[in-house]
Amino acid sequence: QLQLQESGSGLVKPSQTLSLTCAVSGGSISSGGYSWSWIRQPPGKGLEWIGYIYHSGSTYYNPSLKSRVTISVDRSKNQFSLKLSSVTAADTAVYYCARVGGYCSGGSCYPSYFDYWGQGTLVTVSS
Amino acid sequence: QSVLTQPPSVSAAPGQKVTISCSGSSSNIGNNYVSWYQQLPGTAPKLLIYENNKRPSGIPDRFSGSKSGTSATLGITGLQTGDEADYYCGTWDSSLRAVFGGGTKLTVL
Repeated sequence: QLQLQESGSGLVKPSQTLSLTCAVSGGSISSGGYSWSWIRQPPGKGLEWIGYIYHSGSTYYNPSLKSRVTISVDRSKNQFSLKLSSVTAADTAVYYCARVGGYCSGGSCYPSYFDYWGQGTLVTVSS
Repeated sequence: QSVLTQPPSVSAAPGQKVTISCSGSSSNIGNNYVSWYQQLPGTAPKLLIYENNKRPSGIPDRFSGSKSGTSATLGITGLQTGDEADYYCGTWDSSLRAVFGGGTKLTVL
């Protein structure tokens, strides 16, 4: 059974960089042609997609966060990471990592759903 | 302001049926698969329906999904108190970016 586990600093000062890692166990991050994503949820609010890294290494980001986000993969450690720079209080949220399932058609493959999720980690931005 | 529109809340009695709607546009739902997620209080979201109407292994057939044009619907029959949760629809836009609905809180009266 695939499992994802977020880790990182739970408290970040304004203007600094938020850094989180998602460790994948029960399967290889490199197999199956899957992509890997970050999603966040501010307290009491809905889900906000942050971005994902395709199995090819290409990245796709939420336009509203694109200038501040970097998602990368460390295949040797079977994990992927999120960096969000210049944080403010508005970035306070529970951050989830997730696997992206998809489908292939006409020789191309597309993302379709988030099938495995980490338990989430609360990151608070405060001085 | 979420890209996809869901009712903030729905309610029904145990044993009854409820539907949750999700409205989008031709640039998202109209041309992509829809998925649904259940978020029980204090837990991570869980995939409930994918590719409009498919259920992952372990999801009971009380849960169903459908899509028509630029809207999608989640149906839950035989409501149980354990179904009380927030439900989110999700899809992708033409630039391969994910979008979610604002979520619907289900109350089983």
